[in-house]
Amino acid sequence: SQKIEQNSEALNIQEGKTATLTCNYTNYSPAYLQWYRQDPGRGPVFLLLIRENEKEKRKERLKVTFDTTLKQSLFHITASQPADSATYLCALGGTGRRALTFGSGTRLQVQP
Amino acid sequence: NAGVTQTPKFQVLKTGQSMTLQCAQDMNHNSMYWYRQDPGMGLRLIYYSASEGTTDKGEVPNGYNVSRLNKREFSLRLESAAPSQTSVYFCASSGTSDGASGYTFGSGTRLTVV
Repeated sequence: SQKIEQNSEALNIQEGKTATLTCNYTNYSPAYLQWYRQDPGRGPVFLLLIRENEKEKRKERLKVTFDTTLKQSLFHITASQPADSATYLCALGGTGRRALTFGSGTRLQVQP
Repeated sequence: NAGVTQTPKFQVLKTGQSMTLQCAQDMNHNSMYWYRQDPGMGLRLIYYSASEGTTDKGEVPNGYNVSRLNKREFSLRLESAAPSQTSVYFCASSGTSDGASGYTFGSGTRLTVV
């Protein structure tokens, strides 16, 4: 069956460092992968989309890579700030699929 | 503000009671979705609607029904609530049928069934 894995343990880093979060998947051939941010008590907020034919995508301090051979995406936040503390979800989708399939998320805590 | 509005924000039900969760979007999106979020399990799709007048089952539809009342509104009904339905429910919408434009989520309904 399809499976999306994100590290369930929280990631704690110091302010100014680069945070790297991982999304692995199996039994899936997505056309694209998305990353969302979720704050406590709120709904997820869309951040970035990367398509299967793209290796890397950047948006301000965010960088996403997508390796369809390894079936893995890496999500980087450079020069991290305490305001970046949140849970980050990856989601897979594609043409013909009924809806996005989400991972369970990784909580990031940036210490000042 | 443009977006997805969910009501109520909180609800406590007794086992066997029924209720309807309301969702409305004002972005003229065709596609709408209902997910539930449980600790450690991520978001799981309950039902979705690709366009007005159509609805389809998702991963965990048992115990739920939906109505796509019009393009704006997509409601989720629990006919006879069970403790296993204690969860946070999120409604979302998308401007493209494949979701590639990203989903816009509501702020959620926290439901407790006792």
